Amino acid sequence: GENVEQHPSTLSVQEGDSAVIKCTYSDSASNYFPWYKQELGKGPQLIIDIRSNVGEKKDQRIAVTLNKTAKHFSLHITETQPEDSAVYFCAAIRGGTGRRALTFGSGTRLQVQP
Amino acid sequence: EAGVTQSPTHLIKTRGQQATLRCSPISGHTSVYWYQQALGLGLQFLLWYDEGEERNRGNFPPRFSGRQFPNYSSELNVNALELEDSALYLCASSQGQDDSPLHFGNGTRLTVT
Repeated sequence: GENVEQHPSTLSVQEGDSAVIKCTYSDSASNYFPWYKQELGKGPQLIIDIRSNVGEKKDQRIAVTLNKTAKHFSLHITETQPEDSAVYFCAAIRGGTGRRALTFGSGTRLQVQP
Repeated sequence: EAGVTQSPTHLIKTRGQQATLRCSPISGHTSVYWYQQALGLGLQFLLWYDEGEERNRGNFPPRFSGRQFPNYSSELNVNALELEDSALYLCASSQGQDDSPLHFGNGTRLTVT
């Protein structure tokens, strides 16, 4: 099955700096890669996703890049703010097989220092 | 549009008892997923239901079971509770297509004493 590795496990940045979280996946047939943000006491919230036919996607301060050859994808947050502090999860899924279940990375705890 | 709702928010049980957790998906969503999130750990896939059928199951013992009702709501049952079952149980729903995003509820915190 799919295996997703996520790094780093914790990340501390100063407000205004950029943050980068990286994930690698094992199943070359995976074709959908969402990113989730989980704040304390809440469920994960989808913040951005990318499909395998796209190399990069941006949404305001958040961007995701995908390298299918190397089987890795990254989340980039620019101009970080204290409210960006949360746990971020990457995920990968292999669609079209009838065995649809997201495999999540182990999470990155991002702390933005004011 | 109402999001995914889960009940109860907190549940305290004794070892050996049974727990039932409930989930209502977003209107129009036919797929429901259950994940376990133990303290400080990631999300482990438990079960996936679509159109009333169990479609996939994670690496959990048979005492974890569930069902999906005709209105697409779902319940997760955990029998013979063990201390290590203490975790946040998250339900998510989607429209069922392969690349439809999953939308999560805020979970049920199960504590086994």
